[in-house]
Amino acid sequence: NAGVTQTPKFRILKIGQSMTLQCTQDMNHNYMYWYRQDPGMGLKLIYYSVGAGITDKGEVPNGYNVSRSTTEIFPLRLELAAPSQTSVYFCASSSVDRGLYEQYFGPGTRLTVT
Amino acid sequence: AQSVSQHNHHVILSEAASLELGCNYSYGGTVNLFWYVQYPGQHLQLLLKYFSGDPLVKGIKGFEAEFIKSKFSFNLRKPSVQWSDTAEYFCAVNVKAGAGSYQLTFGKGTKLSVIP
Repeated sequence: NAGVTQTPKFRILKIGQSMTLQCTQDMNHNYMYWYRQDPGMGLKLIYYSVGAGITDKGEVPNGYNVSRSTTEIFPLRLELAAPSQTSVYFCASSSVDRGLYEQYFGPGTRLTVT
Repeated sequence: AQSVSQHNHHVILSEAASLELGCNYSYGGTVNLFWYVQYPGQHLQLLLKYFSGDPLVKGIKGFEAEFIKSKFSFNLRKPSVQWSDTAEYFCAVNVKAGAGSYQLTFGKGTKLSVIP
């Protein structure tokens, strides 16, 4: 299993541009998550999904959108990039079957908005 | 809403010193507790977890943590650190968010630097 994969690894955007961060998992996990990590702030949940077609907001959803058309894929969309969205973005997945609540993380995408 | 506090922002130790990183959470119900580690330039990896049972849990690489319910704490320990333990450590609490979903709340992290 590849686990959780994310593309791209790095990206520089200009203010107002849009982009999609890709996330794929091959563990058949029903739960998927998007976090952003800022220095000294830990991880903040942006959006999460409990299954295909179901998404919900996390702690910091403004400026982002998600969709979940399949179990495997959970892209994060930035429509109008702003400098405040400069961050490292992590996708994660988990399964609650048999009490498995731990999350598996992807390698991250480092985004800079200038 | 639940919150997680990690008391130390940056800890600097010499090799072979003992380590204890504090973590307190605020949530009155049933919790699942985790410690994750992030080595420089890498993604988060699970160190250990507590769901139920023995409050002293052992994880990978010689780490352990003790869940003290009365103190809402889940401190991470290692008797003798190595240079390779240099990383950032995150405590996290998983609680039920409703409708069968769960949310993981992270602390702000503790950076550990081990000096050879």
